[in-house]
Amino acid sequence: KAGVTQTPRYLIKTRGQQVTLSCSPISGHRSVSWYQQTPGQGLQFLFEYFSETQRNKGNFPGRFSGRQFSNSRSEMNVSTLELGDSALYLCASSSSTSGANVLTFGAGSRLTVL
Amino acid sequence: SQQGEEDPQALSIQEGENATMNCSYKTSINNLQWYRQNSGRGLVHLILIRSNEREKHSGRLRVTLDTSKKSSSLLITASRAADTASYFCATLGDGSSNTGKLIFGQGTTLQVKP
Repeated sequence: KAGVTQTPRYLIKTRGQQVTLSCSPISGHRSVSWYQQTPGQGLQFLFEYFSETQRNKGNFPGRFSGRQFSNSRSEMNVSTLELGDSALYLCASSSSTSGANVLTFGAGSRLTVL
Repeated sequence: SQQGEEDPQALSIQEGENATMNCSYKTSINNLQWYRQNSGRGLVHLILIRSNEREKHSGRLRVTLDTSKKSSSLLITASRAADTASYFCATLGDGSSNTGKLIFGQGTTLQVKP
């Protein structure tokens, strides 16, 4: 069973640009969550999608958005990048039928904003 | 905001010794989970303990939960160099039993010296 796949793994952008990150969940998993990890703030929840609908949202500005497709693949977009958006962005998927919220994480997309 | 506060922030031990890390949380929970993260990579789920459980074992891992004190501990016995990683506790953010919205502690960085 393939794991959670995130692309790209590394990317460098400049302030003001936008970026799109992609996540392919484990086959059969319908929930996809996104997290931002920085040395200062740690792991922070961005949003969760389930069956193409945003189910939960963290406390991030509107520059951060996401979506989920019918095949459960998800993308997140950050517009008007700021230096503080430099972080490791982690995607995780989970099965809605497990009865527990155990997450399987991808390896992450490391974004550097210059 | 961080639900879990972990202690210590960093721990350095010799191979073969036991490692104990603690986590405190603020609100009522359905379950508490522990994850491991190797440097710059995604998180790996280690163990989940439900609110009605007091202790759980998985291989060399032992987790305890004290809901009256809102705290949990993770014990790794007979540590190995391969256990070198950061360890995070995580709880649900909204009281639901099945959501990807976890709140993570700041983590304990464990170094096991060969």
